[in-house]
Amino acid sequence: NAGVTQTPKFRILKIGQSMTLQCTQDMNHNYMYWYRQDPGMGLKLIYYSVGAGITDKGEVPNGYNVSRSTTEDFPLRLELAAPSQTSVYFCASSYSLPSEYQETQYFGPGTRLLVL
Amino acid sequence: QKEVEQDPGPLSVPEGAIVSLNCTYSNSAFQYFMWYRQYSRKGPELLMYTYSSGNKEDGRFTAQVDKSSKYISLFIRDSQPSDSATYLCAMNRGGADGLTFGKGTHLIIQP
Repeated sequence: NAGVTQTPKFRILKIGQSMTLQCTQDMNHNYMYWYRQDPGMGLKLIYYSVGAGITDKGEVPNGYNVSRSTTEDFPLRLELAAPSQTSVYFCASSYSLPSEYQETQYFGPGTRLLVL
Repeated sequence: QKEVEQDPGPLSVPEGAIVSLNCTYSNSAFQYFMWYRQYSRKGPELLMYTYSSGNKEDGRFTAQVDKSSKYISLFIRDSQPSDSATYLCAMNRGGADGLTFGKGTHLIIQP
């Protein structure tokens, strides 16, 4: 299993440009998540999905959009890039909700985004 | 008051020492507690997962949760230079709405 894969690894955007960050998992996980991590900070949840066709906002959704057409893929869209979106973006997935027996949330390697 | 407080460090200790990393939290609804290890320019890697209060041991690592004090800890025995990384605590109420993270503690193990 490749686990959670993300592309691209690094991208520089100009203000106002748009882009899609790709995330794919091959573990047949139902739940997928997008987080951002700013320097010296913990991760903050942007959006999450509990299954194909179902998405919901997290703590910091403004400026982003997501879709979930398949179980494997959960792309994150930036429509009008702003300097405040300079960050490292992590995708994560889990098979089920947290439980006494089930570990949760495995992360991809991240996409570093710089908006100038 | 932030939901999860974690000292960012850096914490520098000699090789072989016992390391203690801690987080406090304010939301009593948290039930699931995790420690992630993150090497520079890499994604977080799940290290320990604990449900409710109690201890869990895995090799050189021990996770403790004290829900009455809203305090969680990670102990690393016989620390190695390869343990040098940022350690993130994370927690969840049991729902699908993601994890709440601390800022992470930067740990340096000196050879």
